[in-house]
Amino acid sequence: AQRVTQPEKLLSVFKGAPVELKCNYSYSGSPELFWYVQYSRQRLQLLLRHISRESIKGFTADLNKGETSFHLKKPFAQEEDSAMYYCALGYYGGSQGNLIFGKGTKLSVKP
Amino acid sequence: NAGVTQTPKFQVLKTGQSMTLQCAQDMNHNSMYWYRQDPGMGLRLIYYSASEGTTDKGEVPNGYNVSRLNKREFSLRLESAAPSQTSVYFCASSELASGNTIYFGEGSWLTVV
Repeated sequence: AQRVTQPEKLLSVFKGAPVELKCNYSYSGSPELFWYVQYSRQRLQLLLRHISRESIKGFTADLNKGETSFHLKKPFAQEEDSAMYYCALGYYGGSQGNLIFGKGTKLSVKP
Repeated sequence: NAGVTQTPKFQVLKTGQSMTLQCAQDMNHNSMYWYRQDPGMGLRLIYYSASEGTTDKGEVPNGYNVSRLNKREFSLRLESAAPSQTSVYFCASSELASGNTIYFGEGSWLTVV
């Protein structure tokens, strides 16, 4: 079965420290991986997707098929990065596709 | 550019009452979704509609019904609300139901007492 695991519920770092939000997935096919971010009391929005291989707000994520991981990284955390981060897996289920989310990691960046 | 709009934003219901959450998107997307967000549980899919005229159950469909009224609108109905349905509900849409980028509404905070 398809699954997304984010092992950390809460990650707390100081401003300027490196950040790594972990995401592991389980899927036998070719996955599409995404990171979504939700700032306080705002809607979820796409942060980045592995296909585009871009860096958004200093965040990057590399798909590692061998380790089935898609960890989100940023070398120097900023206070405005404090938010809830969700890893998501896009997959094809029969004739229709779907997107499943991990349980999320709350990132807190302290001054 | 409104994107995905859902109403109401806040609602308090008594156990057993019914209500409908409305959702509309103006991006000409084919697929629409309803998720609920609960602390420690992340986002869970309730129902989705891959295209106009079709609806399918997600991970947690019990206690809910949906209607894909047209390409723009996808409503979620609670026939007999229960305290376990206290949650934040998000409507979302995507161009296709194939792992495309999903766009979310602002959320509806529902409390059942």
